[in-house]
Amino acid sequence: KQEVTQIPAALSVPEGENLVLNCSFTDSAIYNLQWFRQDPGKGLTSLLLIQSSQREQTSGRLNASLDKSSGRSTLYIAASQPGDSATYLCAVDTGRRALTFGSGTRLQVQP
Amino acid sequence: DTAVSQTPKYLVTQMGNDKSIKCEQNLGHDTMYWYKQDSKKFLKIMFSYNNKELIINETVPNRFSPKSPDKAHLNLHINSLELGDSAVYFCASSQAPGGEKLFFGSGTQLSVL
Repeated sequence: KQEVTQIPAALSVPEGENLVLNCSFTDSAIYNLQWFRQDPGKGLTSLLLIQSSQREQTSGRLNASLDKSSGRSTLYIAASQPGDSATYLCAVDTGRRALTFGSGTRLQVQP
Repeated sequence: DTAVSQTPKYLVTQMGNDKSIKCEQNLGHDTMYWYKQDSKKFLKIMFSYNNKELIINETVPNRFSPKSPDKAHLNLHINSLELGDSAVYFCASSQAPGGEKLFFGSGTQLSVL
């Protein structure tokens, strides 16, 4: 059974810092991995999708990497801003055509 | 334009009642989902439909019955509500099952008293 863990559970940083969020999964036989952002009282927004054949994806200040063999992914946020404050979730698709989610990292960027 | 919209946003009801949550997507996607987010914030798949056909049916009490009248709509009906059903229910859609970006609705917070 696939399990997804995210560390840390919460993170508080001053504005401008670069930061890394971690995601690990127990079954390396994945089809893809997605990083989402969830704002309080709102739905999830897909940030980056990495296919199993890819090593990383970039979008603006965000960079996600994937190491399937070790069951790890990282989300790198450059030059963090207060608007980046949210919960970040990673999720893996193991071919069941549905995602298995981690419990998220709650990020607070202080002005 | 809201891509995935679900109603109501909040639902407060008594134990034993029957309630429905509606979801509509205007993205032209073929696949729609219901996910449940519990108090510990874990999101778990409940159901998935592709072109109105049920393709995922997780271990969910049969009090929960999804219905997809067409590709753009996926509703969730819950009978005999229990305290443990309290959660946030999210609808989502994707172009196809698996391997695609998911687009989520804003969630329905269900509170069973």
